[in-house]
Amino acid sequence: ETGVTQSPTHLIKTRGQQVTLRCSSQSGHNTVSWYQQALGQGPQFIFQYYREEENGRGNFPPRFSGLQFPNYSSELNVNALELDDSALYLCASSRSGSSDEQYFGPGTRLTVT
Amino acid sequence: QKEVEQNSGPLSVPEGAIASLNCTYSDRGSQSFFWYRQYSGKSPELIMFIYSNGDKEDGRFTAQLNKASQYVSLLIRDSQPSDSATYLCAVKGYSNYQLIWGAGTKLIIKP
Repeated sequence: ETGVTQSPTHLIKTRGQQVTLRCSSQSGHNTVSWYQQALGQGPQFIFQYYREEENGRGNFPPRFSGLQFPNYSSELNVNALELDDSALYLCASSRSGSSDEQYFGPGTRLTVT
Repeated sequence: QKEVEQNSGPLSVPEGAIASLNCTYSDRGSQSFFWYRQYSGKSPELIMFIYSNGDKEDGRFTAQLNKASQYVSLLIRDSQPSDSATYLCAVKGYSNYQLIWGAGTKLIIKP
């Protein structure tokens, strides 16, 4: 176990709805990165938060947004859900903004119907 | 476009043999290299990381890095059925904040 937790474990939403996913980082880690992993693919970087600021963003549209809180936990929000948003959403925490040695939570499986 | 390439497999190896997993990357500025293991339906688990050319050993695992050839590999000695999983290679540049991931190689260890 990495000490990184995510909620919920599974989620089913309808196209057009909005969803919020949550992540608690490992103790001593101040950086959280979010990834989307489609079936049979490697994780795709969504964005990273370091000390409550967005530290970088991958090739995802603005309807993917996030937050990091003073305790370094984080949220991923997705608006106007599309069928292609169905995936495993992974949160990873690391000790600093350099992103080395990231440790993953168990993930949230999102299904959009 | 920075890319990380892995053979998707499946790679089938007899129990007790050495499994060899390979990864190539396109960005010559890459500085950090990671191997993750992912069981079906689970999240990736960090196995090893390597920063310098050469070999790095940790128990039954050895990571090998050749920056000139832009090649990183993972060797698993005395393979066990519990090693059956998808192995993901991830790469990070010097000033980048993000990991670039391969699609993974599925490894099957046959008893």
